[in-house]
Amino acid sequence: DARVTQTPRHKVTEMGQEVTMRCQPILGHNTVFWYRQTMMQGLELLAYFRNRAPLDDSGMPKDRFSAEMPDATLATLKIQPSEPRDSAVYFCASGLVIDTEAFFGQGTRLTVV
Amino acid sequence: QKEVEQNSGPLSVPEGAIASLNCTYSDRVSQSFFWYRQYSGKSPELIMSIYSNGDKEDGRFTAQLNKASQYVSLLIRDSQPSDSATYLCAVNMEVRTGGSYIPTFGRGTSLIVHP
Repeated sequence: DARVTQTPRHKVTEMGQEVTMRCQPILGHNTVFWYRQTMMQGLELLAYFRNRAPLDDSGMPKDRFSAEMPDATLATLKIQPSEPRDSAVYFCASGLVIDTEAFFGQGTRLTVV
Repeated sequence: QKEVEQNSGPLSVPEGAIASLNCTYSDRVSQSFFWYRQYSGKSPELIMSIYSNGDKEDGRFTAQLNKASQYVSLLIRDSQPSDSATYLCAVNMEVRTGGSYIPTFGRGTSLIVHP
């Protein structure tokens, strides 16, 4: 059963702490997206990778967010330091090639208190 | 700013009726269009893809695309209470000049199918 896997599913942390979210894309997919979903903004693109190379991360606050893809089976999104306004659901999605469908993981629900 | 617009709803239809969901987009050169269904507390699930003008049918779902009018729609026939969810329209748009085409999402339309 091919699916995008994200961990953790839920994270509650205190302001100022580091948060790392992980994503395993569908095997064979070469494009990985990170989205953030809030009630106010909907789904916003934070960053995306093709063949593990970061192509665009203009949607991320650069001073605190970083995204990497250390190998083809793992993408990470890190927030340091975290702030209450970062509370949201973070989705990873993967696709076979650019300009086709994206398939979503279950998401990480982050709460920063 | 490249945008995808949807009516937030809620759209309420009786069981067995046709639900019609609409979406407009701003980028004239977009070529790939998708509908996702998202249940409360769950992740978006791809239900339809459409790339050419006209209609595409899959079971009770029909996607309609009109590139000249920059308009995409989703029809759900014989609506069921289990169809109650938020429907997200996604259009692949150029993130930056010379860049790749990336799924850009509307805010979604909430559909309620009542028995």
